[in-house]
Amino acid sequence: DIQMTQSPSTLSASVGDRVTITCRASQSISSWLAWYQQKPGKAPKLLIYKASSLESGVPSRFSGSGSGTEFTLTISSLQPDDFATYYCQQYNSYPAFGQGTKVEIK
Amino acid sequence: EVQLVQSGAEVKKPGESLKISCKGSGYSFTSYWIGWVRQMPGKGLEWMGIIYPGDSDTRYSPSFQGQVTISADKSISTAYLQWSSLKASDTAMYYCARPGGGATTDWYFDLWGRGTLVTVSS
Repeated sequence: DIQMTQSPSTLSASVGDRVTITCRASQSISSWLAWYQQKPGKAPKLLIYKASSLESGVPSRFSGSGSGTEFTLTISSLQPDDFATYYCQQYNSYPAFGQGTKVEIK
Repeated sequence: EVQLVQSGAEVKKPGESLKISCKGSGYSFTSYWIGWVRQMPGKGLEWMGIIYPGDSDTRYSPSFQGQVTISADKSISTAYLQWSSLKASDTAMYYCARPGGGATTDWYFDLWGRGTLVTVSS
């Protein structure tokens, strides 16, 4: 099984900050990686697929990069609506999610 | 409107059986996989399994193989997740989700149901 590890687990930031979340795979997954945002009581929302492809309707302040085993999700200028938990998910094989990164208000 | 509509919250006792549903609409139900994802209270997302309603090809996470059954009725565009004997540890929110890759195995999920909360308590 491929294991996904996100860091940090929690991130405190202010509106306007540049935020970066890292996701590492236990083996190479090429670019088969997605990122999701989840707010309390809501279903996850797809942000990025194939490591760097922005889902339609997602603001351009979100971007993804990486390949192989190391990936990043960057929010260029954090907005109030962005305080949420973020998950990475590999789909090189049976899907597996990272443990999540909670972005909270500093 | 393209959407997945899940059945309502359930409260069950340990040992009881349960089948929850996920109805797809606004798209060709038989042309996309449908997956199930568990989220235990306060915890992260766990992929359980996936089914292709077109031919009922079903795959399970090793963690959930033998613990649940995934099925689909393409005549009513509905996928199911069922348990034969619930445990307290099955208490969780269960989401159905449709991958964006159509019939391919590009299993990233671009369409989600709102979730079904299952509570198992004596």
